[in-house]
Amino acid sequence: QEQLVESGGGVVQPGRSLRLSCAASGFTFSSYGMHWVRQAPGKGLEWLAVISHDGSNRDYADSVKGRITISRDNSKDTLFLQMNSLRLEDTAIYYCAKTAALSNWFDPWGQGTLVTVSS
Amino acid sequence: DIQMTQSPSSVSASVGDSVTITCRASQDISDWLAWYQQKPGKAPKLLMYYAISLQNWVPSRFRGSGSGTDFTLTISRVQPEDFATYYCQQANSFPLTFGGGTKVEIK
Repeated sequence: QEQLVESGGGVVQPGRSLRLSCAASGFTFSSYGMHWVRQAPGKGLEWLAVISHDGSNRDYADSVKGRITISRDNSKDTLFLQMNSLRLEDTAIYYCAKTAALSNWFDPWGQGTLVTVSS
Repeated sequence: DIQMTQSPSSVSASVGDSVTITCRASQDISDWLAWYQQKPGKAPKLLMYYAISLQNWVPSRFRGSGSGTDFTLTISRVQPEDFATYYCQQANSFPLTFGGGTKVEIK
């Protein structure tokens, strides 16, 4: 079955950087656009970024544009999120998700990785 | 950006009750709407897309309706496994946006 597994979260100081990974299996990774979505503790869902199946197109939420970069390695079935200049308000669970049904809904989601920005 | 407004933010229901959740878009999104179910400590799961199309795992007591700006998720005869938080999401245009969520709680 389709599966996504995130890694790379942890505790990081404000201003530092972090790189998240998302390993995909059970589907042809190179055929699908991929997304990152986050959820602050006790809060709702916030879409962050999308990358096309071949990596040629990307788009970002304004709230993080300029501080994050989404990328992928189709040879390794892996999605990445590079986050720079981290702020306290970036503390959240970060989910990767696959584009579903050739439209921009999300299915499946990974289990999430927690990023805590704290001094 | 398209704003998605969900109501209510929470609702209490007994097993067997019917629950209705509303999602309103700030502009016309046709049927580019999805619903997700999230249980505590778990990732969201796609429940419904194109406003009315159920995922294979979703029982028929879930029903979606609406188009344009106003959408509804109805759960008929709520079961214990349905107690969760539900989010709507528009897929009409970037940035993709979610509603604030509706927590369905046990009365």
